[in-house]
Amino acid sequence: RKEVEQDPGPFNVPEGATVAFNCTYSNSASQSFFWYRQDCRKEPKLLMSVYSSGNEDGRFTAQLNRASQYISLLIRDSKLSDSATYLCVVNTYTGGFKTIFGAGTRLFVKA
Amino acid sequence: EAQVTQNPRYLITVTGKKLTVTCSQNMNHEYMSWYRQDPGLGLRQIYYSMNVEVTDKGDVPEGYKVSRKEKRNFPLILESPSPNQTSLYFCASSLSRRVVGLAGETTYEQYFGPGTRLTVT
Repeated sequence: RKEVEQDPGPFNVPEGATVAFNCTYSNSASQSFFWYRQDCRKEPKLLMSVYSSGNEDGRFTAQLNRASQYISLLIRDSKLSDSATYLCVVNTYTGGFKTIFGAGTRLFVKA
Repeated sequence: EAQVTQNPRYLITVTGKKLTVTCSQNMNHEYMSWYRQDPGLGLRQIYYSMNVEVTDKGDVPEGYKVSRKEKRNFPLILESPSPNQTSLYFCASSLSRRVVGLAGETTYEQYFGPGTRLTVT
């Protein structure tokens, strides 16, 4: 079983749609959580950290459920520019911080 | 401008010829890390460094070396490159910060360099 698993995708949605990404992690000692987006052949860019209390940034909402070891990202009112791969990222403290990436979920937003 | 830089951006080399990929950040970040990205395997951590002179292995350290003699630089060394090290490499750096109001939550929001595409023939 992979340490961080995401929906395989791809997701094809029309502009204006709401889309949800799911992610589960296997190491209960994991301590910090993130969503990154990556455009084709470019570097990953931080979208948002995910906190226990949940957090929102404009059209983006992230949730964390430590008991279920589950992370989610909701994008409301999708834009063409949201088309990218969304990466779930987990840090686990083992004397230092190890970082594990999910395989990513590709999103296509169409006009 | 706050940034992480990598050099070279593209490199084609031959098996066994030692190479170094440089990574530098100007944000005074303590934490730095190297990743490789391969189709179907995603991003995997090679090595990371919590601070100067403190480095540790990630998930795929075999065939790589790193050093952290100064805070801003974290070079990745391939002593004897092989074709299975053909990949897209990313360097990243971060501060650690404690989330206000949430006891014990420390995040490492990593910022990535533009990537180095390495081909070993």
